Amino acid sequence: NAGVTQTPKFRILKIGQSMTLQCTQDMNHNYMYWYRQDPGMGLKLIYYSVGAGITDKGEVPNGYNVSRSTTEDFPLRLELAAPSQTSVYFCASRPQEGTGNTIYFGEGSWLTVV
Amino acid sequence: AQSVTQPDIHITVSEGASLELRCNYSYGATPYLFWYVQSPGQGLQLLLKYFSGDTLVQGIKGFEAEFKRSQSSFNLRKPSVHWSDAAEYFCVLNFGNEKLTFGTGTRLTIIP
Repeated sequence: NAGVTQTPKFRILKIGQSMTLQCTQDMNHNYMYWYRQDPGMGLKLIYYSVGAGITDKGEVPNGYNVSRSTTEDFPLRLELAAPSQTSVYFCASRPQEGTGNTIYFGEGSWLTVV
Repeated sequence: AQSVTQPDIHITVSEGASLELRCNYSYGATPYLFWYVQSPGQGLQLLLKYFSGDTLVQGIKGFEAEFKRSQSSFNLRKPSVHWSDAAEYFCVLNFGNEKLTFGTGTRLTIIP
C-alpha cells in the first residue's frame, strides 16, 4: 500500500530558486492538503483541494502555488524561495465522504533555504 | 472562534509510568477528534479518533482517550509508557468542514 507519497524527502535550495514538491496518493481520495510544520507551531495549512481542478488557500499560502490536474497528484510549487520557507512539508489526503474521516499523511519533505 | 489547545509543550515521564496528554477545544458543538503521533523524522500516524458514541476510545499502541463534553476535552492516556513512545503528539480537530485544526503538539520524552 503506497498511500501518500512525497518527493523529495530532503532538499537544499538557494534563496531565489524555485522547486516543486511532488505529492501523489493512490487511494482515490478527493481531498488533498499541503501543510508546513515549524518547531513548536504545529501544522499550518498552506493549500488544499477538494477535487481535481479545485484548489483553495489555507492559512499560510504566500510564496506557494498548487495545481490539481488529476485526483492522484497535488504538487506544491515554491517560487523565489526565501529562508522563511525553511520547514518540513507534509502532503495529506482523505476521502470526501464524512468530514470526520481519517487524514493520511506522507512522510514529509525537509526543505532548507540558504 | 474554533480552536484547539494542547497546554503542555513538553512532558517527561519515566518508562513504565502512566501518561496523560491534555487537549482542550473551543467549539459550539462536538467536533470530530483525533490524536496523531509523529516519531522523530517521520510523518504523522493516527492513534485514535472519536466521532460519537462511547466516550472512551481505544487506539493503537495501548493508547486510549476520553471525550468529556462538559470540559471540552479529549485527553490521551496510556497506563504504562515504553521508550518507543517518545514522540510528538498532536490533538487534531475537524469542525465539520474539509479542514483540520492542529494543536501545537506535546513532545514526550521518556527517561529510563
